[in-house]
Amino acid sequence: SQQGEEDPQALSIQEGENATMNCSYKTSINNLQWYRQNSGRGLVHLILIRSNEREKHSGRLRVTLDTSKKSSSLLITASRAADTASYFCATAHPASYGKLTFGQGTILTVHP
Amino acid sequence: GAGVSQSPSNKVTEKGKDVELRCDPISGHTALYWYRQRLGQGLEFLIYFQGNSAPDKSGLPSDRFSAERTGESVSTLTIQRTQQEDSAVYLCASSWLAGAGELFFGEGSRLTVL
Repeated sequence: SQQGEEDPQALSIQEGENATMNCSYKTSINNLQWYRQNSGRGLVHLILIRSNEREKHSGRLRVTLDTSKKSSSLLITASRAADTASYFCATAHPASYGKLTFGQGTILTVHP
Repeated sequence: GAGVSQSPSNKVTEKGKDVELRCDPISGHTALYWYRQRLGQGLEFLIYFQGNSAPDKSGLPSDRFSAERTGESVSTLTIQRTQQEDSAVYLCASSWLAGAGELFFGEGSRLTVL
């Protein structure tokens, strides 16, 4: 299966701390994306990293990609209570580039 | 519209009935996706459309599920003879080109089969 697997399944931290979530996948990819989902809502795109990129930043977000280990990490720095949500990685396989498949997600809880 | 619109937002039906879920993508987006999300789970790919090309139906779980899209406009997902295991949130997303970048999601249609 192309589907990514996030780790940990759940993460609980205090406001101001950093949160790191990991994603592993099984086959080669075209790109990897991270999404956020607030409870009961649709998903919102956070960041996309291409297979030839190693690191990308967007505000308080930092994403890394290691294609040799088939893994990615999402770091949220100086977390806020409003960051509480589920975070999903999604991968696109080069052979079926349009088919974006998602992992099971990491539930992040940030305590004020 | 400004975003992806899905209807109905909630649907309760009896086992064995057919249901239709509708998705209105962002204007100009050529790709449209359907996903299923069971409670507390990740997103399960169902189908995607890219322009007038044949859709990728590889995620449809059974022949009770079908989806249509006319051109680059509205799509409907139809579930025939619903079963209790079909209960889930059905999410629609669109993008300007499949595989090219981010997906924009609707708020989902929550289906409950009694």
